[in-house]
Amino acid sequence: SQQGEEDPQALSIQEGENATMNCSYKTSINNLQWYRQNSGRGLVHLILIRSNEREKHSGRLRVTLDTSKKSSSLLITASRAADTASYFCATDDGKLTFGTGTRLQVTL
Amino acid sequence: GAGVSQSPSNKVTEKGKDVELRCDPISGHTALYWYRQSLGQGLEFLIYFQGNSAPDKSGLPSDRFSAERTGGSVSTLTIQRTQQEDSAVYLCASSARGQRSEQFFGPGTRLTVL
Repeated sequence: SQQGEEDPQALSIQEGENATMNCSYKTSINNLQWYRQNSGRGLVHLILIRSNEREKHSGRLRVTLDTSKKSSSLLITASRAADTASYFCATDDGKLTFGTGTRLQVTL
Repeated sequence: GAGVSQSPSNKVTEKGKDVELRCDPISGHTALYWYRQSLGQGLEFLIYFQGNSAPDKSGLPSDRFSAERTGGSVSTLTIQRTQQEDSAVYLCASSARGQRSEQFFGPGTRLTVL
């Protein structure tokens, strides 16, 4: 079964808009990671947030973590067509478990 | 090499045949993982190797699946008597310090069982 569940399953926005994806999980975690996947192939690590952190930034990415609600969000600001991909959260509760992903489509 | 490599990139086989998938992790990475991803789905954990410790095989779906990691480097995932439901992309990843650090993924092997 999946530990992380992303919401929404699919998101379509126009270039320049912000995209927000959410991840909910069930057990206590050590850290939570976000990954991106293009064309159903290998994943690329985006950002890791530890359980004692609440917010982290990397370029146009902002990740928040609320351990009391067991949820995380990934915000991509000023989206570009090249951001079109699937985005997965992965929770570390002793083993890294990936969610089902959000498919993001950024149109011109 | 600079990243994780996997071979073959695509494999088409007939039902009942055995297949071997190879993963070359990043040099020096002690942890290696295998995942399976069916079309449009998330990643399903299969097996995890960490250094010389016994592998975590808890994700292997049946005894037809097995994996080895020789010399702490290259890994081979073997699927015996393949079934059509084994069709998926098989992804390998490695990391420097085990489960709690960033994983680096290979491009995957797309397996099609006819």
